[in-house]
Amino acid sequence: EDQVTQSPEALRLQEGESSSLNCSYTVSGLRGLFWYRQDPGKGPEFLFTLYSAGEEKEKERLKATLTKKESFLHITAPKPEDSATYLCAVQAAGGGSNYKLTFGKGTLLTVNP
Amino acid sequence: GAVVSQHPSWVICKSGTSVKIECRSLDFQATTMFWYRQFPKQSLMLMATSNEGSKATYEQGVEKDKFLINHASLTLSTLTVTSAHPEDSSFYICSAQPPGQLQETQYFGPGTRLLVL
Repeated sequence: EDQVTQSPEALRLQEGESSSLNCSYTVSGLRGLFWYRQDPGKGPEFLFTLYSAGEEKEKERLKATLTKKESFLHITAPKPEDSATYLCAVQAAGGGSNYKLTFGKGTLLTVNP
Repeated sequence: GAVVSQHPSWVICKSGTSVKIECRSLDFQATTMFWYRQFPKQSLMLMATSNEGSKATYEQGVEKDKFLINHASLTLSTLTVTSAHPEDSSFYICSAQPPGQLQETQYFGPGTRLLVL
């Protein structure tokens, strides 16, 4: 069974204080690992897809990296508007056209001004 | 691009009634859509995979006779919660996959908050 564990559950930062969120996963062959941002009462917003170990992707203050067992979401000099829950999800290979995602519980990030 | 909408955004209903939620892909055609449920402070749990023109595939533990899914066109899937009860109160979110090189990425709708009294 595919599993995704995110840590920490909650993270409080001061504006400008860089940090990283962790996503550990076990999957029977990885097709892709996804990062989403979710604001309260809203649906998840797509951020990144990573496919293979060593891959990195960046978007503004966010950078996602991938190893064979985990992914990190690095947040550089965060701003209050980066406050949200960040979700990690994996998609297993070998599922044919079944692209189902298994989500972690997320990390609630709060950035104080 | 890759915009997904849901309607309604929230609904309150009495126990025993049925509620229909619509999920639309606005700028692309989606042969596959997904329905998730999210309880407070929990992650998204996949309920079912909806395929255009065929029966939905339900995850283990999800009652297919209670959560009816119809994917009648390439831009619309509906979820009907039949005979809703208070324990069905939750945040229901759909997602859709665009075709082509982004086909593995799911784009999510804004969600529908359901409260059953």
